[in-house]
Amino acid sequence: DGGITQSPKYLFRKEGQNVTLSCEQNLNHDAMYWYRQDPGQGLRLIYYSQIVNDFQKGDIAEGYSVSREKKESFPLTVTSAQKNPTAFYLCASSIGDRVVDGELFFGEGSRLTVL
Amino acid sequence: AQRVTQPEKLLSVFKGAPVELKCNYSYSGSPELFWYVQYSRQRLQLLLRHISRESIKGFTADLNKGETSFHLKKPFAQEEDSAMYYCALTHPSGSRLTFGEGTQLTVNP
Repeated sequence: DGGITQSPKYLFRKEGQNVTLSCEQNLNHDAMYWYRQDPGQGLRLIYYSQIVNDFQKGDIAEGYSVSREKKESFPLTVTSAQKNPTAFYLCASSIGDRVVDGELFFGEGSRLTVL
Repeated sequence: AQRVTQPEKLLSVFKGAPVELKCNYSYSGSPELFWYVQYSRQRLQLLLRHISRESIKGFTADLNKGETSFHLKKPFAQEEDSAMYYCALTHPSGSRLTFGEGTQLTVNP
């Protein structure tokens, strides 16, 4: 089954702990993205990567880190520096290193709750 | 800086009634605008592109550069249209999308 797989779907962590969310794609897409989805605030871009071993900050990168060591994988680490980490996180990819025809392909999301 | 605004967080209509989801944008140059939809328990997906001038599931959206708007319309809403709708704009570099706040549409029977 092709597509984007995010894991875990639900995650609970104590305050002060780092947590890593996984995003894997088997679509052979070049670019990958992490968005945060909050009610009333829409989707906000955290980080994106257009090519392996390179990534750029989005609009709300503070308190997050990423890596892109393989084309298929783009994990997101939510660090203890992120002031309000409880949210729904969405990973996406696009065919080229640009958003071709406006189409992003999204995963099912990961819901992180910090207690 | 570019920005997308969806002024209505919630919109409720009755089945068969017309529906319009508002989207306004700020952008320098020629914008590329899109509507995305997220049905309950499904992934966020592209609904339509302004450049295609297409009708998808009965929805259309016209880019009005004078009013900087890209409202999504459907003449007769159906219960299955109930979903979260996001308006989105391509960054000038083409490398990313900027999304609006989203509008939760509920179509009542």
